[in-house]
Amino acid sequence: SAVISQKPSRDICQRGTSLTIQCQVDSQVTMMFWYRQQPGQSLTLIATANQGSEATYESGFVIDKFPISRPNLTFSTLTVSNMSPEDSSIYLCSVVKAKNEQFFGPGTRLTVL
Amino acid sequence: QQQVKQSPQSLIVQKGGISIINCAYENTAFDYFPWYQQFPGKGPALLIAIRPDVSEKKEGRFTISFNKSAKQFSLHIMDSQPGDSATYFCAATSNTGFQKLVFGTGTRLLVSP
Repeated sequence: SAVISQKPSRDICQRGTSLTIQCQVDSQVTMMFWYRQQPGQSLTLIATANQGSEATYESGFVIDKFPISRPNLTFSTLTVSNMSPEDSSIYLCSVVKAKNEQFFGPGTRLTVL
Repeated sequence: QQQVKQSPQSLIVQKGGISIINCAYENTAFDYFPWYQQFPGKGPALLIAIRPDVSEKKEGRFTISFNKSAKQFSLHIMDSQPGDSATYFCAATSNTGFQKLVFGTGTRLLVSP
């Protein structure tokens, strides 16, 4: 498996501000992803965090709104920019280990007022 | 074609009973089908997964049944316990899809004592 930590675990933010979420893994991984889970809903992939290059975004998500950094194989950040109440969600990072097994972090619960 | 359809949306089972959750997919390129268990306030935890080359996989009380021709797979929880009460997500991915998970809509399971 993988030990994944996220910071912060939760936050309450004001409209128009930005929040950066950190994801740290206990070992080097090639594939790392960021997902969003809106209240009571399923998980939706935001982007693939690529080490050393720009993230690959899914349809409906753009770099200006969700800039991602991946400086090395154990760490990534997701920024939620210019937040609105619609951004209130749980944000999760995940990593892929051997045999395609994908493990998730504990999530960051974001509330935008 | 990228969707994974999951049913039922919610399920109530008596302690000791069998919980059954079903999923269906259309993309024949999918070649890895994991199930995740999520408790409130936690990230999804990988429960069990299957590949299309087998029709069934069992781990403890959890069994995945896979029907490749029907493009369906299901999770069976034997001897369901109150501690199994959680939301369960099926998912699918493929190497050609860069291991990006497509999630079902989730099933909220309640096991009554």
